[in-house]
Amino acid sequence: DAGVIQSPRHEVTEMGQEVTLRCKPISGHNSLFWYRQTMMRGLELLIYFNNNVPIDDSGMPEDRFSAKMPNASFSTLKIQPSEPRDSAVYFCASREQGARGNEQFFGPGTRLTVL
Amino acid sequence: DQQVKQNSPSLSVQEGRISILNCDYTNSMFDYFLWYKKYPAEGPTFLISISSIKDKNEDGRFTVFLNKSAKHLSLHIVPSQPGDSAVYFCAASGAGGGADGLTFGKGTHLIIQP
Repeated sequence: DAGVIQSPRHEVTEMGQEVTLRCKPISGHNSLFWYRQTMMRGLELLIYFNNNVPIDDSGMPEDRFSAKMPNASFSTLKIQPSEPRDSAVYFCASREQGARGNEQFFGPGTRLTVL
Repeated sequence: DQQVKQNSPSLSVQEGRISILNCDYTNSMFDYFLWYKKYPAEGPTFLISISSIKDKNEDGRFTVFLNKSAKHLSLHIVPSQPGDSAVYFCAASGAGGGADGLTFGKGTHLIIQP
């Protein structure tokens, strides 16, 4: 099993540009989560999907952030326009339906730098 | 308002001894608690979890203890090994009745010294 796959691993962009982060969850997992890690706030939940449907997006910081899950094997997190304060590591995680203990499997993350 | 707190940013332990990592929480609705381990440039890796109806869960060298009255949990690693050097995150999830997000502490950097 390849695990959760995220791309790109690193992204450097200029303020005002659109950024799209991609995630492929583990096959058979029906829940997908996007997290962001910063020095100030640590790891925080942005949004999660259950069976491709967004359940809770209360962690999305602003309207500049949007996430989609068009099918069970793909999700995107988009920032438009990007700002320097969006610089962080963005993690995607997936969870198997019925998993006890809410164990989530994380991808390697995308390190985003907005200049 | 931090609902999950890890008050020790770092901890240094000699190889072969016990490592004890602590975590406090404020939300009594949390029903599962998890520990994750993270190496640099990698995503967090699940270690062990415990349900709020239990007070102890053990898996090999790792044991998690939960004290609900004190809203406190701890992870014990015995014996500590050099490969255990990493950042450890405590996380909690609420009674969502299904998939719900994790609330993380800010992590404790564990350093195992030879």
